[in-house]
Amino acid sequence: AQKVTQAQTEISVVEKEDVTLDCVYETRDTTYYLFWYKQPPSGELVFLIRRNSFDEQNEISGRYSWNFQKSTSSFNFTITASQVVDSAVYFCALSEAPFITGGGNKLTFGTGTQLKVEL
Amino acid sequence: DTGVSQNPRHKITKRGQNVTFRCDPISEHNRLYWYRQTLGQGPEFLTYFQNEAQLEKSRLLSDRFSAERPKGSFSTLEIQRTEQGDSAMYLCASSLSAGTSGNTIYFGEGSWLTVV
Repeated sequence: AQKVTQAQTEISVVEKEDVTLDCVYETRDTTYYLFWYKQPPSGELVFLIRRNSFDEQNEISGRYSWNFQKSTSSFNFTITASQVVDSAVYFCALSEAPFITGGGNKLTFGTGTQLKVEL
Repeated sequence: DTGVSQNPRHKITKRGQNVTFRCDPISEHNRLYWYRQTLGQGPEFLTYFQNEAQLEKSRLLSDRFSAERPKGSFSTLEIQRTEQGDSAMYLCASSLSAGTSGNTIYFGEGSWLTVV
């Protein structure tokens, strides 16, 4: 069974601080995808990144960066110089790799981390 | 360029009534998903379609729940004889099918259901 753990329920930072959101996952699959989504108060889940289990390169996109470490089954997300607009709930998610299993690419989500960025 | 569209966005219903939610996926996406999210939790998978075929259903989807995607485009999720435990946000999502480079699932804004 797949499982995603986001141990940080809520994080509060002051604007311009850097913040890291932790994600630890469990899967028996050798190939899988990892995702991060942002959920603002409006409710829509906004896609941020998808990472294939074959690709352990870290990625940077503007103020966002992701650190994928297969050895520790972690996929952490860092926001540099946080802004008030970053305030939201962030979800880490895991899916099987349909190229291999031929199955659906349904997502298993963590419970989310509420990020509050204050002035 | 439109994303995933859901309606109604909010629904308040009395226990025992039936409710139906509609989802319009991104136009070229052949996969469509339904998820349920309760307060303080991550979304949980309910079911998914590839074109008009419903390929997988979660054990969370009791027999009071039925989803359809009659022409492989929009989908409806009906809940019969609603119970207070059905109160949640119902999220629809869509994606291209497996084996393509578009294996990213895009979500709509959700439909909030409150059963009183």
